[in-house]
Amino acid sequence: GEDVEQSLFLSVREGDSSVINCTYTDSSSTYLYWYKQEPGAGLQLLTYIFSNMDMKQDQRLTVLLNKKDKHLSLRIADTQTGDSAIYFCAERSRTALIFGKGTTLSVSS
Amino acid sequence: EAGVAQSPRYKIIEKRQSVAFWCNPISGHATLYWYQQILGQGPKLLIQFQNNGVVDDSQLPKDRFSAERLKGVDSTLKIQPAKLEDSAVYLCASSPIRDRPSNEQFFGPGTRLTVL
Repeated sequence: GEDVEQSLFLSVREGDSSVINCTYTDSSSTYLYWYKQEPGAGLQLLTYIFSNMDMKQDQRLTVLLNKKDKHLSLRIADTQTGDSAIYFCAERSRTALIFGKGTTLSVSS
Repeated sequence: EAGVAQSPRYKIIEKRQSVAFWCNPISGHATLYWYQQILGQGPKLLIQFQNNGVVDDSQLPKDRFSAERLKGVDSTLKIQPAKLEDSAVYLCASSPIRDRPSNEQFFGPGTRLTVL
């Protein structure tokens, strides 16, 4: 079946880089996504990557995809306190998005 | 552009009571989704509409949950009767076209339901 796994917590210092990892199981997924959820708010799409790509960069965000290992990562450069949130990895499966449980990123100053 | 609107933001009910949530998607978005997000977990799709037709309701507990999207715009999700395990945040999302490659879904702020 389809499943998305993420580590639950990550703590970094302001200015450091953050790397959030994710593994997925559906090899037929065409798109993989990273969403951000701040307290009391809905999910916001940060970035996505097509399955035939290895890397995508968007300002401070870098997404790496290892399709052979079904491993996805999100790197946030120069992490700021405003980046503190829950980050969800998701894969597209037929009509639905399958989400992981989310990684809580805590940024200390 | 206004975002996805949901109401109420919070609801507390007792088990076996009924509750309804309302969602107004972004204007012009054909596809509407209802997700359930239990504390500590990622959102799980309950039902997906394309205009006013149901595309996927395979994970909707149909013995107690129902949803409709009359006229292909607003949508209502109902739970009757509620159970303790229904305590969760109910998120509504919309997207312009179901088969858009990026499938970007725009989420509302959610309704937090507590069942006592």
